[in-house]
Order: sequence, then C-alpha cells, then structure tokens
Amino acid sequence: GQQLNQSPQSMFIQEGEDVSMNCTSSSIFNTWLWYKQDPGEGPVLLIALYKAGELTSNGRLTAQFGITRKDSFLNISASIPSDVGIYFCAGNSGNTPLVFGKGTRLSVIA
Amino acid sequence: NAGVTQTPKFQVLKTGQSMTLQCAQDMNHNSMYWYRQDPGMGLRLIYYSASEGTTDKGEVPNGYNVSRLNKREFSLRLESAAPSQTSVYFCASSLTGIGYEQYFGPGTRLTVT
Repeated sequence: GQQLNQSPQSMFIQEGEDVSMNCTSSSIFNTWLWYKQDPGEGPVLLIALYKAGELTSNGRLTAQFGITRKDSFLNISASIPSDVGIYFCAGNSGNTPLVFGKGTRLSVIA
Repeated sequence: NAGVTQTPKFQVLKTGQSMTLQCAQDMNHNSMYWYRQDPGMGLRLIYYSASEGTTDKGEVPNGYNVSRLNKREFSLRLESAAPSQTSVYFCASSLTGIGYEQYFGPGTRLTVT
C-alpha cells in the first residue's frame, strides 16, 4: 500500500526562526494536504495542493507540491509560540482514501 | 455551522463491553470517515463511507463496525472492547470524493481497561 515518510519527527526552534518539513511517498500522488493538530483537538486543514509544482501560501505558511509528485514541503516563516503542535501531511493517488504521515512535532522556544 | 461533532468526548470501558461512537456533520458532505490515532502512529483509517448507503474497510477495520445512518451521521461501534482499542478516535468528512480535503471532529478519547 501507499506509504508516507514525514520528516523530521520533531523539532525544537527559537521563536522567530523559519521551519521546514517534508513528506515523501512511495508512489505518485495527485493530492497533498497539510494539517495542524493542537493538543486535545482534531487536525485542522492548513493547505491543499492538487497540481505538481503548485506553491500555495496561507499567511506565514507555504506549501509546495513536488515536481516529481512524490513529495511535498511545508515552510513556516518567523515562527511564533502558537505554531506549536503536530503537523501532518496527507495525500493520495487516484480515487483512494488519504494516507497520513506520522507527523512532525514542533516546539517553539520563546 | 458546527462542522463535525462527536459524542462522547471521553469514555472508559471494561474489556468486553460494547459502545457506539456518534459522529454528525452539518456541511452537506458526501463522504465520512473514522480514524484512530495512537502515539507515534499518526492517523489510521478504520472505515469510510464514500456516499450515503455505502461503507468500506480502511487500514485497521478489525473489531469495529460502522453505520451510515443518513447523509449527516456516521457511527462507529465496538462490539466487544479490548485494551488494544484504547485510542483517540476521530471522525472526518469531505465534500466530494474520498481523496479530497477532509474536515475533522474534536475526537473521542477511549480507554479500555
């Protein structure tokens, strides 16, 4: 089945720093989604990508659909304390259910 | 709009007991999903319903049953709970197609002793 490798597993950064995380798949994907989960809450959709090479921003967040269609990247600029949480990538190919990565846990040191 | 709602928020069961987790969405979405989330495992799909009247198994369906009661509601039943089913359960929905943007509920935290 489809597998997603999300990295890094966790990161500790200083407030104000930029953050980068990525996901790679074992097969070509048609859709890449990025979610954030706060403690005790459900995941919240941040960005959706549907075309290879697509670059989409949502405030300080920018995500890209890799040109090979096997990877995606999420960048957060000028991190703030409320960026703390777990970030998940998800994707699929064809008419199949989404597959989720295992998440990147972000901690921000003020 | 409340989005996706789940009840209960917390539940403790003894091994062998049964229970049903309820999920409802008010976004007129066609597809609905049940996931479980365990530490370090990410989100794993239990069952999904691509449209009203259909249900399909996901990655980890054993020990669970589902019912798509109507377009709004999708329930998950544990017939005989086991400690391995201790987890956080999330319901989600999407407007069209099973590979598109999904919106999640707040979760049900289940402990089986």
